[in-house]
Amino acid sequence: AQSVSQHNHHVILSEAASLELGCNYSYGGTVNLFWYVQYPGQHLQLLLKYFSGDPLVKGIKGFEAEFIKSKFSFNLRKPSVQWSDTAEYFCAVNAPGGGADGLTFGKGTHLIIQP
Amino acid sequence: ETGVTQSPTHLIKTRGQQVTLRCSSQSGHNTVSWYQQALGQGPQFIFQYYREEENGRGNFPPRFSGLQFPNYSSELNVNALELDDSALYLCASSPMGQMNTEAFFGQGTRLTVV
Repeated sequence: AQSVSQHNHHVILSEAASLELGCNYSYGGTVNLFWYVQYPGQHLQLLLKYFSGDPLVKGIKGFEAEFIKSKFSFNLRKPSVQWSDTAEYFCAVNAPGGGADGLTFGKGTHLIIQP
Repeated sequence: ETGVTQSPTHLIKTRGQQVTLRCSSQSGHNTVSWYQQALGQGPQFIFQYYREEENGRGNFPPRFSGLQFPNYSSELNVNALELDDSALYLCASSPMGQMNTEAFFGQGTRLTVV
């Protein structure tokens, strides 16, 4: 069975600070990797995804993530955060090929950006 | 905004009752998945429907059931509600048949069981 671990449950940063949110997964085979964001009162939105190829993927709003296969990690980064980045961030995995087992999510990281 | 819509947005039910939640998938998407998101937790996969049949299920009891209709919309039914069923229920749609794809989520239905 797949599992996802997000190390930081609550993170508080000041505007312009750099961000790195950790994500490790447990799965024996090839995986697809995702970061979703949930802004207050809004639906889950995809920030970025990794299927194959270049392990450094760029997403929306200046976010990027690096897949390190040897560490089973997919950490999310942003060089300079903004107040509008305040949200809940979820790392998720599924198996390629349709993913009939659905997405497995981590417990999320609540990010608060102080002006 | 995604094209996935869910109804109702909020619902209060009494323990032991039954509830039906509805989801309209994004245009062109033939696969619908349902997730339960308890407070302070990540979403947990309940099941997935493709071509009107359940083709994947998470660790949820049989009192959680669903339907998918020919227009790809879907229902989640929960019987014999328990207090622990209080959660945000999320619907996601995706285009099955593509090797690697993402899921698009609706805004969810907030269910409170009292």
